[in-house]
Amino acid sequence: EIVLTQSPATLSLSPGERATLSCRASQSISNYLAWYQQKPGQAPRLLIYDASNRATGIPARFSGSGSGTNLTLTISSLEPEDFAVYYCQQRANWPLSFGGGTKVEIK
Amino acid sequence: EVHLVESGGGLVQPGGSLRLSCAASGFTFNSHAMSWVRQAPGKGLEWVSGVNAGAGSTYYADSVKGRLTISRDNSKNTLYLQMDSLRAEDTAVYYCAKGASYAHYTFEHWGQGALVTVSS
Repeated sequence: EIVLTQSPATLSLSPGERATLSCRASQSISNYLAWYQQKPGQAPRLLIYDASNRATGIPARFSGSGSGTNLTLTISSLEPEDFAVYYCQQRANWPLSFGGGTKVEIK
Repeated sequence: EVHLVESGGGLVQPGGSLRLSCAASGFTFNSHAMSWVRQAPGKGLEWVSGVNAGAGSTYYADSVKGRLTISRDNSKNTLYLQMDSLRAEDTAVYYCAKGASYAHYTFEHWGQGALVTVSS
């Protein structure tokens, strides 16, 4: 089973700042990684698929990079609506798995 | 517009059974893999089970294997999760999720979730 470790657990930043979120896999997952955003009381929303492709309607300030075991989600300049929890998810191997999440909170 | 609507959640005693349904609309249901993902109160996301478009292949998390069964009826555009031998740790919001056409087990659309509470 592939374990995804997200860091940091919490990121405290101000609007306009850059956010860098990490997702490390216990073994190589190539680029088979997605990123999701979840706000309280809502279902998750797909942001990035296959490591670096933005999903439909996702703003350009969200970008994904990396492959293998180290992958990154970057938010270039935080907007007020970006404060939320972010999850990575791999589809390289069964069973599928999610990381534990990174909460991006307002500093 | 894609719509996924879960139903069938509720309170059940440990050892009991429950069947969740997910009614799908707004897309060609029989062309997409589907999955169930759950979230325990205050916790992160956990993938539970998946089924391919033709229902010929099913997949499970180790934590639910042998107790939960995924199925789909493509004639009714509906996904199911039969939940047996339920435990307290199965308490969660269960989301139905649609696979993307470009990456079958990337979850492009999600339902609003159904709460399952296992308690005596």
